[in-house]
Amino acid sequence: DIVMTQTPLSSPVTLGQPASISCRSSQSLVHSDGNTYLSWLQQRPGQPPRLLIYKVSNRFSGVPDRVSGSGAGTDFTLKISRVEAEDVGVYYCMQAKQFPLTFGQGTKVEIK
Amino acid sequence: EVQLVESGGGLVQPGGSLRLSCAASGFTFDTYWMGWVRQAPGKGLEWVANIKQDGSETYSVDSMKGRFTISRDNAKNSLYLQMNSLRVDDTAVYYCARYTFIVPRTFDSWGQGTLVTVSS
Repeated sequence: DIVMTQTPLSSPVTLGQPASISCRSSQSLVHSDGNTYLSWLQQRPGQPPRLLIYKVSNRFSGVPDRVSGSGAGTDFTLKISRVEAEDVGVYYCMQAKQFPLTFGQGTKVEIK
Repeated sequence: EVQLVESGGGLVQPGGSLRLSCAASGFTFDTYWMGWVRQAPGKGLEWVANIKQDGSETYSVDSMKGRFTISRDNAKNSLYLQMNSLRVDDTAVYYCARYTFIVPRTFDSWGQGTLVTVSS
């Protein structure tokens, strides 16, 4: 199974300041079809998860452009350029290169 | 608008069974893979199972194989999860989610979840 490891697990951020979350996979997420199937999801308090980023760096519909994803191979990063109150929640990376699908442990973003 | 509505959760004793349902609307159900993801109280997300559009292929976590079975009824736009031999550590919110198997391979829509509590 591919193990997904996120750091940090908690990220207190001042409103208007940037936030960054790292996700590392135990093996390369580059599929034989050439795509890298790494997604980021956000879970606001009391809500179901919501897709933010797919295939490393593609923003899903409705996601603001201050949210971005980057990375390659086994190392990936989610960045929020200026944190707003609506960004509070837990962020998960997920790999879909192969079954079983696996998630990172989650990173809690909160306002200082 | 895509809507996924789970039902069937509740309190069950260890060793018991439950069948979760997910009613889908707002999209052409039989053209999408579907899946179940669970979240134990205060914990992270755990993938449970996925099923192909026509039900011909299913994938699930090894630890749940033999106990949990995913299925679908395209005529009813519904997804199911049959859970048998339930254990206390199966207590979780179970989410139904739409999965795009062909690029970009991710869960792009989620239901609100249904809570399963396994306790004596």
